[in-house]
Amino acid sequence: DADVTQTPRNRITKTGKRIMLECSQTKGHDRMYWYRQDPGLGLRLIYYSFDVKDINKGEISDGYSVSRQAQAKFSLSLESAIPNQTALYFCATSESSRNSYNEQFFGPGTRLTVL
Amino acid sequence: ILNVEQSPQSLHVQEGDSTNFTCSFPSSNFYALHWYRWETAKSPEALFVMTLNGDEKKKGRISATLNTKEGYSYLYIKGSQPEDSATYLCAFRNNFNKFYFGSGTKLNVKP
Repeated sequence: DADVTQTPRNRITKTGKRIMLECSQTKGHDRMYWYRQDPGLGLRLIYYSFDVKDINKGEISDGYSVSRQAQAKFSLSLESAIPNQTALYFCATSESSRNSYNEQFFGPGTRLTVL
Repeated sequence: ILNVEQSPQSLHVQEGDSTNFTCSFPSSNFYALHWYRWETAKSPEALFVMTLNGDEKKKGRISATLNTKEGYSYLYIKGSQPEDSATYLCAFRNNFNKFYFGSGTKLNVKP
């Protein structure tokens, strides 16, 4: 079974709709991240969470919100989807140990299309 | 926002060729440099984490070097095989726990 799972894997929606992407992990990691990937660009950080009570904005948080419901779950919401949010979205996790270099483990990605 | 640049953007080689590509990153506030291998329709997978200037890491036919003073890392693949075809991503981690990814080098190895 995958350690980091994302649902849905693919979603097509319309402009103005509210969308939630979910991420779950069984790795027991404290830290969770949401990235988006656009063609020709690297992964860009949307939000990250170092524990359940700690949520931080990344480079491109406008138009997104997140919820860390539990250590194992981190959801990304698009309150009112727009076409330029069409992208591949990745969730990732990492340890928080001082001895760890915080190698990130990625989910399989969610391909979101906003029409 | 920091710039992490990878070159070339894409590379086409024949099976058996050796190849290398570059990741450039800021030389200040360096904490670690990560390399990931990303196959189409799969998740990025970690290859190496490098932390010290002069580090060299090796996994099979793939190796990487790190120069933190000048802000670059090289990834080498010796004797490329079709199964090496993937996008290779580097990520710079700074002292403030932030990760910045390059846009990747897409490698295509023809049999």
